[in-house]
Amino acid sequence: GAGVSQSPRYKVAKRGQDVALRCDPISGHVSLFWYQQALGQGPEFLTYFQNEAQLDKSGLPSDRFFAERPEGSVSTLKIQRTQQEDSAVYLCASSHHREASPLHFGNGTRLTVT
Amino acid sequence: QQQVKQSPQSLIVQKGGISIINCAYENTAFDYFPWYQQFPGKGPALLIAIRPDVSEKKEGRFTISFNKSAKQFSLHIMDSQPGDSATYFCAASAAVSGSARQLTFGSGTQLTVLP
Repeated sequence: GAGVSQSPRYKVAKRGQDVALRCDPISGHVSLFWYQQALGQGPEFLTYFQNEAQLDKSGLPSDRFFAERPEGSVSTLKIQRTQQEDSAVYLCASSHHREASPLHFGNGTRLTVT
Repeated sequence: QQQVKQSPQSLIVQKGGISIINCAYENTAFDYFPWYQQFPGKGPALLIAIRPDVSEKKEGRFTISFNKSAKQFSLHIMDSQPGDSATYFCAASAAVSGSARQLTFGSGTQLTVLP
């Protein structure tokens, strides 16, 4: 079956531009996470959805970052007025809502802000 | 604050050797410890995971050793192969009622297995 799909794979934005990153989770997965992975670092939590409800957004680094999952399936991470420090790989992961259900990651979107 | 510390940052092992990666955590509420493998251009993939009620878990060539009192756990890769060359991340999570587990990752170990 299909895994977690993310688009675009690569995005180059000029500083100050807005970007939107898309995540298609595995069908039926209730839980959806966004992580940010800087070069040479481990993924860092950004935000978590259970169906369409955003239950935790404590990892979003600033109010320029916004995520939504309006129908409980596809999710979009939006970054407004991008800055160079936003350059990273943005990973989406989904899982069943069961205890210790493994997270399935997409291959990420590599964002480069110039 | 780095809640999961991972070492070494990089590791070079000969084919057939044993690769050992170590992690230490601070949050005593953590009760689930997975290891992820990541190849370049790919997302992390779950390799093996352990809960603190056991001290060791083995799956094929991969073994997790867990020391609850020391708040440390490690990944051992036996008979390392060139195809194991990847970045390995330890992670930890705590149960949250009514919510899926949020993972806290270590900083990663880049493993190179020489042929």
